[in-house]
Order: sequence, then C-alpha cells, then structure tokens
Amino acid sequence: QSVLTQPPSVSAAPGQKVTISCSGSSSNIGNNYVSWYQQLPGTAPKLLIYENNKRPSGIPDRFSGSKSGTSATLGITGLQTGDEADYYCGTWDSSLSAFWVFGGGTKLTVL
Amino acid sequence: QITLKESGPTLVKPTQTLTLTCTFSGFSLSTSGVGVGWIRQPPGKALEWLALIYWDDDKRYSPSLKSRLTITKDTSKNQVVLTMTNMDPVDTATYYCAHRRGGYNSFDYWGQGTLVTVSS
Repeated sequence: QSVLTQPPSVSAAPGQKVTISCSGSSSNIGNNYVSWYQQLPGTAPKLLIYENNKRPSGIPDRFSGSKSGTSATLGITGLQTGDEADYYCGTWDSSLSAFWVFGGGTKLTVL
Repeated sequence: QITLKESGPTLVKPTQTLTLTCTFSGFSLSTSGVGVGWIRQPPGKALEWLALIYWDDDKRYSPSLKSRLTITKDTSKNQVVLTMTNMDPVDTATYYCAHRRGGYNSFDYWGQGTLVTVSS
C-alpha cells in the first residue's frame, strides 16, 4: 500500500474532462510540493506537473494540477485517446527521514 | 539536452547483489541542487522510489529497502551507481534512473529503464 492514495482507475469519453485525486498526509502532501507523471504503455514516466500546478515546457494546458491541504488533483480537459495512460502523483515525505513517495497510480481509460 | 541511460545485468540469481549504472549527459552532478534518483516498477505494478543522491553527496533511501541499497556517484564519469543486496524474485522490475532538477522536487528527465529479472 502506497503512502499516497490514488483511485485505481478513471474513465471518460473523448473531449470530456477527468480529475485524478492523490490523498496523503501532513508529512507529505501537506508540507511539500506535488508532481504528476504520465506513463504511456511500455514507456518511461514523463513529468506532467511540478510544484503542484506548474507545467514543464511542451506540456499542453489541457493538463492542470492543484493542491489543497493533504490532497492534490490532476485535471485533464479535452480528453484524447492518446491520453490513455497510467498517472502517478509523487512528493517528499518528511516523516523521520525524508524520502520520496509515489502514489499507487491511476489507469485512465478514454472510452 | 539531458539524457540518462541505465545499464546492468538483465538476469540475477536470488541472494546475489545487483549493480546498476546510470550514465547521463547534459548536466553535471556537481551543480548545486541537482540529484539523480532510482525508481523501479515491477511488471504491471506501480512505481516505487528507491534512492536519490544529491550534488553534495547527500543520500536518501527508501526506508523499507535502506538496509539493502547503496547509491554512489562518479562525477567525472557522469555516472550514478545503485547496488541492491540479497536479490529476491520479488525484486524483478524495470529499474529507472531520473534527473532531479536543482531546487525543484520532481524528476524531470527519465532513462528508458532496464528490466532486471531475479530467477535461479
């Protein structure tokens, strides 16, 4: 079980919007920046969002991030079939000794 | 342009020690704030962070695996090495190394990954 909790799967139709949640605690999300990663089938993860809501160069503004308290959310609008992937949240956990944690991942299906 | 590439054995026997090398280009591990991390992913399962080494040689490890892991760097060779002792079939996974940008707590560039199978 991961320290960060994500729903195992979400789905939506092309063109629609979807949100993926990531729930943690005060030792991780509550006091640290959250990043989000997209992993297309058979490929390495790719950074989508850093520092809660910032997009690296080249990431379309259809992808957004937010954080409130001990939870974070990834939003994807204008869904495309190419968005079908696994999505992971990640952050530092400051309990005892600092270490990085990933969420359990969410499989996005574009129906 | 930042690139990273993992190398090492594809097959190891139970109880053996795994040594993986991450060779990178496009950045220096002597630049303030920069780090290189290792992350693994068992087939069909989630990402699991293993370790991170910073430019100043500060090292961080997964609490659950700390006793088995060692991360080192060779700045002159642009390499980071991860060793994991006492390998078990449950350690079968794709192992990735990734770049941590100075001042930003995220992994912005990833290697392609290398699949390591643990089997007798």
